Amino acid sequence: AQSVSQHNHHVILSEAASLELGCNYSYGGTVNLFWYVQYPGQHLQLLLKYFSGDPLVKGIKGFEAEFIKSKFSFNLRKPSVQWSDTAEYFCAVNGDTGFQKLVFGTGTRLLVSP
Amino acid sequence: NAGVTQTPKFQVLKTGQSMTLQCAQDMNHEYMSWYRQDPGMGLRLIHYSVGAGITDQGEVPNGYNVSRSTTEDFPLRLLSAAPSQTSVYFCASSHSTGGVGQPQHFGDGTRLSIL
Repeated sequence: AQSVSQHNHHVILSEAASLELGCNYSYGGTVNLFWYVQYPGQHLQLLLKYFSGDPLVKGIKGFEAEFIKSKFSFNLRKPSVQWSDTAEYFCAVNGDTGFQKLVFGTGTRLLVSP
Repeated sequence: NAGVTQTPKFQVLKTGQSMTLQCAQDMNHEYMSWYRQDPGMGLRLIHYSVGAGITDQGEVPNGYNVSRSTTEDFPLRLLSAAPSQTSVYFCASSHSTGGVGQPQHFGDGTRLSIL
């Protein structure tokens, strides 16, 4: 069975600080990896996704993530955060099961102070 | 294009009551899913559907029923509400073409409280 671990439950940063949120998954086959963001009071939105090819994926709003297959990791990064990045971030994975059966991590709450 | 529309946005129920959470999408997506979001637990899949007339159970299906009579609609029914079903419910949809990696589109959620 697939599982996703996000070890940072709460992260507090000042504006302009760099961000890295950890995501590790457990699945032996081919995976598709996603990062979703949920701004306060809103629904989940896709930040970026990895299917295949270049393991460094660039998403919206300056976010990027690197797929490291040997470490089963898909960490999210941003060089300089803004107050508007305050949100909850979810890593998700689905394997080659033929359906969009996403398995989500427990989420990381990011608070960026101005 | 409204995307994924969920109604109601908020609901309070008494234990034992039944209700239906509505979900509709206008993107002609084949796949639709229901998740519940609880603090510290992320999103967990309740039920999903790969097309009209086809549904299956997810990770936490007990206490919930679904049906998919049309491509657009995927209602979630609580048969006899329990306090443990207090949660935020999200409906999501996606295309099936292009393989399993299609990103899901989420609705705004329904915040449900069971007293």
